[in-house]
Amino acid sequence: DTGVSQNPRHKITKRGQNVTFRCDPISEHNRLYWYRQTLGQGPEFLTYFQNEAQLEKSRLLSDRFSAERPKGSFSTLEIQRTEQGDSAMYLCASSVDAWRNAYGYTFGSGTRLTVV
Amino acid sequence: SQQGEEDPQALSIQEGENATMNCSYKTSINNLQWYRQNSGRGLVHLILIRSNEREKHSGRLRVTLDTSKKSSSLLITASRAADTASYFCATDEYSGTYKYIFGTGTRLKVLA
Repeated sequence: DTGVSQNPRHKITKRGQNVTFRCDPISEHNRLYWYRQTLGQGPEFLTYFQNEAQLEKSRLLSDRFSAERPKGSFSTLEIQRTEQGDSAMYLCASSVDAWRNAYGYTFGSGTRLTVV
Repeated sequence: SQQGEEDPQALSIQEGENATMNCSYKTSINNLQWYRQNSGRGLVHLILIRSNEREKHSGRLRVTLDTSKKSSSLLITASRAADTASYFCATDEYSGTYKYIFGTGTRLKVLA
């Protein structure tokens, strides 16, 4: 297990198209997070899974965004009808349970989305 | 929303000098973390400090936490060109579940 893996690394899409990103967390991590980061800003929280349950969604996550984590393993983030404002780096992170987490999140390298 | 604000937004120093970055946050926390991000890459966890701790060290990193002032600082001693990156603080926020909220970051440039 070499860490959190995200695919694809880069995605260029035309406005109005749908895109899907995948995140494979560290296998023993039951928590998985999606963040979005625009240039010059810090990551903004989008959504969080504990095992297969999606426990929280940010108000930033409009109804065009949907995330899943079937069987509590990998996760997908889909954006429907993309808009230029969706252009950003989408980061996935995983962690163990908070109460025993002294090591923070492990982030993937991100998927950079460009909507043209 | 972003919980933390880092200061300064950008910092440029010579190799060998110390770099200090500050983070201020708004609400009570259980712990605070610092992360590093190289350009175009994911974030790397550096250090976590709990709310009952005042100072923590890890190699060339020294983190302080003042919960009365809702602020933290990250000191990198004897900086190297490889330390060039953006540095973010993250604080835990509870709104039904725990998650970390990141600040706006300090962009550090270490000149060789």
